[in-house]
Amino acid sequence: QQQVKQSPQSLIVQKGGISIINCAYENTAFDYFPWYQQFPGKGPALLIAIRPDVSEKKEGRFTISFNKSAKQFSLHIMDSQPGDSATYFCAANTGFQKLVFGTGTRLLVSP
Amino acid sequence: GAVVSQHPSRVICKSGTSVKIECRSLDFQATTMFWYRQFPKQSLMLMATSNEGSKATYEQGVEKDKFLINHASLTLSTLTVTSAHPEDSSFYICSASGETFTDTQYFGPGTRLTVL
Repeated sequence: QQQVKQSPQSLIVQKGGISIINCAYENTAFDYFPWYQQFPGKGPALLIAIRPDVSEKKEGRFTISFNKSAKQFSLHIMDSQPGDSATYFCAANTGFQKLVFGTGTRLLVSP
Repeated sequence: GAVVSQHPSRVICKSGTSVKIECRSLDFQATTMFWYRQFPKQSLMLMATSNEGSKATYEQGVEKDKFLINHASLTLSTLTVTSAHPEDSSFYICSASGETFTDTQYFGPGTRLTVL
């Protein structure tokens, strides 16, 4: 019940396209859902996060869509660029609890 | 966002020696710090959680005598890998959360440990 399932494992998108990464969770107590971006040899960087009281949050080219009834949330990267090529992790937690991470998605944006 | 630093970024040591990794929150007071280990092409594995002034809480399967964690101040936590062996070679990453953002974790840049 503590798992966060992430798909796809890897993704190739053409420059200018839309990258979509999906996550699903079981624990209805989760109330905070961040996405992290990680480049090789670096620590994860917080990209964008959402709470269950909203269905969508947008920051620049990055949008989180949240479906509380389906217990799913997704990251959309609009106008994907080669510089977006990285590994993306979704995560979830509640209050002071530890983050539960998805398994990661390796995104490659082809020029 | 909040800034977390780690030192060193890379360390190579001989088998049997101990290695200390520092994690600092640069612009906020970190009430809670976390230590993760990451294997190539895998997700982050939480090793332990520490609160300032308290003993760390270790995840199941993590040897507390091997991975010593100290959170002596609101801006500094250290991870000491004692009697390191080649199987301890990994990417170690710390993160921190603060009083005003208890559910958000900001990560350090990571430390690559290689044990020969």
